[in-house]
Amino acid sequence: QSALTQPPSVSGSPGQSVTISCTGTITDVGSYNRVSWYQQPPGTAPKLLIMDVSHRSSGVPDRFSGSKSGNTASLTISGLHADDEGDYYCSSYSVTSMDVIFGGGTKLTVL
Amino acid sequence: QVQLQESGPGLVKPSETLSLTCTVSGVSIRNYYWSWIRQSPGKGLEWIGYISYSGSTSYNPSLKSRVTISVDTSKNQFSLKLISVTAADTAVYYCARGISDCSGGGCYYYYYALDVWGQGTTVTVSS
Repeated sequence: QSALTQPPSVSGSPGQSVTISCTGTITDVGSYNRVSWYQQPPGTAPKLLIMDVSHRSSGVPDRFSGSKSGNTASLTISGLHADDEGDYYCSSYSVTSMDVIFGGGTKLTVL
Repeated sequence: QVQLQESGPGLVKPSETLSLTCTVSGVSIRNYYWSWIRQSPGKGLEWIGYISYSGSTSYNPSLKSRVTISVDTSKNQFSLKLISVTAADTAVYYCARGISDCSGGGCYYYYYALDVWGQGTTVTVSS
């Protein structure tokens, strides 16, 4: 059960857009559309942003969007705000183990 | 407002058993999937397992031999037990609720996305 692959870090200036990738395999990201994204500001619990690849959780602004192509899912944050800084994690349902696997996390820095 | 609160010892000795409880308020534990997730210092998230509203469980294969998740519906709580702990089990432990979809006339519950999290509790394994 390998973790999904995310870039360790991304950065952008306020107002810009950034995209975080999440690469898995045909048995997880590439199977069902059960990819989720979480935001974790420093010292806090994760917060669900996106479920089912592209559906925003309640109260999440439309600056956050999700997509998927093949075995890679992506989270795009447009119009960066300073308080978007933190760690971002993807997760996916795994067909082989019928459980949940997480990505290694990506640290977003707003310059 | 749905809230989850983890509780349990913050220090556990090596080879002993880690026991945590998650108290759920604002919703009945008889619905939804309920999960445990942990985060080792400076590391990413690791899904430990879940218990369903019907009492069925599923565990991370890497922890399966040491983990038990149970539910106490009378107290609206669910619990985690991890036996034979080592320093590698030192982490922040979170409990969380799986999502629901009530858009189709009935409600369906899923464990693969987690929409309500506890604040987390730090457990250190050390003698």
